Amino acid sequence: NAGVTQTPKFQVLKTGQSMTLQCAQDMNHEYMSWYRQDPGMGLRLIHYSVGAGITDQGEVPNGYNVSRSTTEDFPLRLLSAAPSQTSVYFCASRTGGRNTIYFGEGSWLTVV
Amino acid sequence: KNQVEQSPQSLIILEGKNCTLQCNYTVSPFSNLRWYKQDTGRGPVSLTIMTFSENTKSNGRYTATLDADTKQSSLHITASQLSDSASYICVVSDRGSTLGRLYFGRGTQLTVWP
Repeated sequence: NAGVTQTPKFQVLKTGQSMTLQCAQDMNHEYMSWYRQDPGMGLRLIHYSVGAGITDQGEVPNGYNVSRSTTEDFPLRLLSAAPSQTSVYFCASRTGGRNTIYFGEGSWLTVV
Repeated sequence: KNQVEQSPQSLIILEGKNCTLQCNYTVSPFSNLRWYKQDTGRGPVSLTIMTFSENTKSNGRYTATLDADTKQSSLHITASQLSDSASYICVVSDRGSTLGRLYFGRGTQLTVWP
């Protein structure tokens, strides 16, 4: 049981480039989400999914796309990277109610 | 507006000492409150989860309390160790949807000195 796996761990992009952050979980959780964490701020929700084929926007969705073709995978796509997207990104999964939220180890993204 | 406020922002204590971190929230309707520990360069890891009816929850040297009337929670760390140096994040969930929306505090950065 690997939990939540994120790749890559570190990435440097040039402004305007696109890339995909990968996230996979092996716990059969229906709920998956992407957060970004910036210095001095709490984790902010980018996009989330409540099951395969269902996604919705969080509080900071602009510049990001997601899809959920399987229960296990929830990739985050940066369409045209901007320096404002320099951040640490966390993928998380959980079931409903009071169950534990499991976070990935994070992806450090720098846009120059 | 639903918010989660944590205090202090940062804290330095000596190894072996106790400390208490605070979390105040305005999230309504309340579902549950979680404390997470985030080591530098790592993802957050769950410490405790409490619902409305629970006012104390322990996990080893970590004890969380919840006062749902005043909308306050605290995380007490006993006999601190160097490995306790981390950011501690309070997360509150509402009951507005099936899975509940999560509201994150900004965290308290704890440093334990030898």
